[in-house]
Amino acid sequence: QKEVEQNSGPLSVPEGAIASLNCTYSDRGSQSFFWYRQYSGKSPELIMSIYSNGDKEDGRFTAQLNKASQYVSLLIRDSQPSDSATYLCAGKTSYDKVIFGPGTSLSVIP
Amino acid sequence: DADVTQTPRNRITKTGKRIMLECSQTKGHDRMYWYRQDPGLGLQLIYYSFDVKDINKGEISDGYSVSRQAQAKFSLSLESAIPNQTALYFCATSDLPGSSYNEQFFGPGTRLTVL
Repeated sequence: QKEVEQNSGPLSVPEGAIASLNCTYSDRGSQSFFWYRQYSGKSPELIMSIYSNGDKEDGRFTAQLNKASQYVSLLIRDSQPSDSATYLCAGKTSYDKVIFGPGTSLSVIP
Repeated sequence: DADVTQTPRNRITKTGKRIMLECSQTKGHDRMYWYRQDPGLGLQLIYYSFDVKDINKGEISDGYSVSRQAQAKFSLSLESAIPNQTALYFCATSDLPGSSYNEQFFGPGTRLTVL
């Protein structure tokens, strides 16, 4: 079992819709989680960090963390074509390493 | 100015050549990392360093070596490049866990092609 798992996609949503990206993790001791956006050929860019159970909102982005279910999600409201990218989920494990998931490809259709 | 820089940005080399990729940062972070990314795949950790005297192997260290010359500089070497080392290489930095939650910040990447 991989430590951080994501559906590879591609996930396609129409412009203006809500995109929902999901991530599960295996290390129950993991405390911090991160969402990165990566455009093709570019470096990952941190867009959200979450440490507590519940929701964290930043503009059109909402990160959700459920430690009991070992589940992290990212919602993108009012999706735009510029949101089309690969989204990487990462978790900081109990042994002080950050593990990245394989990424989910998102395509926002105009 | 970029906080994390990598040189070169693109490199084409031949099998058997030695090559060095360099990373510099102005973020003042103690921790630095080298990753490789193959098309359609996730990030694989090659080496990481928590301070100048602390260097650790990652998941795929075979065929690679590193040098932490200073807090701000971390170099990755391929002693004898082979074609399956063709990939996109990223350097990243993060702060100490006590002062942040260990978010990693990435350089722009080096695209390496080994012929």
